[in-house]
Amino acid sequence: SAVISQKPSRDICQRGTSLTIQCQVDSQVTMMFWYRQQPGQSLTLIATANQGSEATYESGFVIDKFPISRPNLTFSTLTVSNMSPEDSSIYLCSVALRLSNEKLFFGSGTQLSVL
Amino acid sequence: DAKTTQPTSMDCAEGRAANLPCNHSTISGNEYVYWYRQIHSQGPQYIIHGLKNNETNEMASLIITEDRKSSTLILPHATLRDTAVYYCIVPKVRTGGATNKLIFGTGTLLAVQP
Repeated sequence: SAVISQKPSRDICQRGTSLTIQCQVDSQVTMMFWYRQQPGQSLTLIATANQGSEATYESGFVIDKFPISRPNLTFSTLTVSNMSPEDSSIYLCSVALRLSNEKLFFGSGTQLSVL
Repeated sequence: DAKTTQPTSMDCAEGRAANLPCNHSTISGNEYVYWYRQIHSQGPQYIIHGLKNNETNEMASLIITEDRKSSTLILPHATLRDTAVYYCIVPKVRTGGATNKLIFGTGTLLAVQP
């Protein structure tokens, strides 16, 4: 299994500002993903965080808005840039321990409110 | 991902078995069925997965029909702590052995009643 720590757990931000969310895993993992969960909705995949290269974004998500870093096999960050109230969501980091394995572990999420 | 269809919500009495159905009629022969759940204010939690044989672990059992077009997740003795949204997911197999993306649908809200 994997223990995932996300920071911050929640934040309230002003529109136009940016917030960087950190995801730390207690072991080396092959794949890391970032999801968004808007209020009352299911999870939406934002991107796959690739170690040492640019993230792979899903349709509707762009690097300028959600820059992602993954400097090593245990850490990743997601930045929500130039925030608006529509960005108010829970942002979740998830990891897969091995390739070809869809058994993902999730962090407890970062609850973001944008005023 | 193969499209899955689940009921929006279900109720179950505490101590009884909860049977959660999932329809995945477009599933391909090498695609697995995964089940996750999300308890309120927590991240999703893996429950179980299977290809074509029935599977059981400490959390649940997974029954997959012979034609693989549907499956049922069984919680044998539901407790109040099993109240959650349950997601049935069939990830699309990608070439090269890469981990497949999990695309979450709307799931089934299971309410376990005392």
